[in-house]
Amino acid sequence: EVQLFESGGGLVQPGGSLRLSCAASGFTFSNFAMSWVRQAPGEGLEWVSAISGSGDSIYYADSVKGRFTISRDRAKNTLHLELNSLRAEDTAVYYCARGATGAHYWGQGTLVTVSS
Amino acid sequence: QSALTQPPSASGSPGQSVTISCTGTSSDIGGYNYVSWYQQHPGKAPRLMIYEVNKRPSGVPVRFSGSKSANTASLTVSGLQAEDEADYYCSSSAGGIVVVFGGGTKLTVL
Repeated sequence: EVQLFESGGGLVQPGGSLRLSCAASGFTFSNFAMSWVRQAPGEGLEWVSAISGSGDSIYYADSVKGRFTISRDRAKNTLHLELNSLRAEDTAVYYCARGATGAHYWGQGTLVTVSS
Repeated sequence: QSALTQPPSASGSPGQSVTISCTGTSSDIGGYNYVSWYQQHPGKAPRLMIYEVNKRPSGVPVRFSGSKSANTASLTVSGLQAEDEADYYCSSSAGGIVVVFGGGTKLTVL
């Protein structure tokens, strides 16, 4: 059974940093691209970043480029998202998903709140 | 990376059909056959309903179908049921694994 479990969310002050993790199980992790998608309270889905199965190809939304860093640890079957220089508008539930275009599996999400 | 355009709301009575549109550009929907549709109930994670324009994942009812013409994709829900009431989001590849989402459509079953 494919499972994705995000962790690392919480309350952080503007300008602060957080590291989100997504533990994957039930599939061969290195065979799939992985994505982060966020959803601000009461708003729609926003694609944040994606990384290829090998980790060689990485892409970011313009809204987070230069502030967020995606990575994957193939030994631990874990996806990460480093969030730096956080702003109020980064407040959202962050989901990890298996795949990019047509993500069949999603985690339950982790809430990031940026507030002083 | 501009968002795809969806109507904010749609509605239909039980048993009826409803179609939700999703308009993009030649750089996303028009350029790739990687259009997906997601269903999201309040407080839940999104669920993939359609991928690669018109393919249904295992477990998705045949009542859900997808299509694409030029820069516009569509999701049709036939034989509406109460449990279909949810938010629906389209997405498309914008090149490789870069993805763009629509703003979402709230489907109400009257």
